[in-house]
Amino acid sequence: NAGVMQNPRHLVRRRGQEARLRCSPMKGHSHVYWYRQLPEEGLKFMVYLQKENIIDESGMPKERFSAEFPKEGPSILRIQQVVRGDSAAYFCASSLRTSGEATGELFFGEGSRLTVL
Amino acid sequence: DAKTTQPPSMDCAEGRAANLPCNHSTISGNEYVYWYRQIHSQGPQYIIHGLKNNETNEMASLIITEDRKSSTLILPHATLRDTAVYYCIVAGYALNFGKGTSLLVTP
Repeated sequence: NAGVMQNPRHLVRRRGQEARLRCSPMKGHSHVYWYRQLPEEGLKFMVYLQKENIIDESGMPKERFSAEFPKEGPSILRIQQVVRGDSAAYFCASSLRTSGEATGELFFGEGSRLTVL
Repeated sequence: DAKTTQPPSMDCAEGRAANLPCNHSTISGNEYVYWYRQIHSQGPQYIIHGLKNNETNEMASLIITEDRKSSTLILPHATLRDTAVYYCIVAGYALNFGKGTSLLVTP
């Protein structure tokens, strides 16, 4: 059973370009979470999605960032007009979320490392 | 808006128990206590979580005080591969990771 798959693992963009990061959750998981980790910082929650729905995007920057999780295919985190401050590791996690308020166990991918020149 | 307080670093001798403390005095009634760890720059790994009662699994034990204002993660027999940053998180589902505790297990 493959784990959470993220690609690309490394992405280099110039300022003003677009970055698209993809995440395929574990088989059977319909809940996806995106996190950003700046250098020397902890992971910060960005967005929580279920199939075709954004449940909580309270951690997403108001501009340039968007996320989707279509009925078919991977979840996509899209960053438009990237700036140097967007350079970070972006982690995706998935879960079954079987009980009430708890996420239970989140399974994380290995991350996508974005470098903006 | 940190909701947990952890020591920035700890050392532990290989084979000994590692006890990692966490203070979460503002925890609310429906928030769980989660522990994850991150080795180097890999994706975080789930360890354990709990609400009120102590929990144990194959990796660790979680001891939560009766007032739920603090907890301790116990790795019963630390190995060199347990060297990592350990994050204590209290949340419903939006887990925000703070700075964590950098645990160094020494031979």
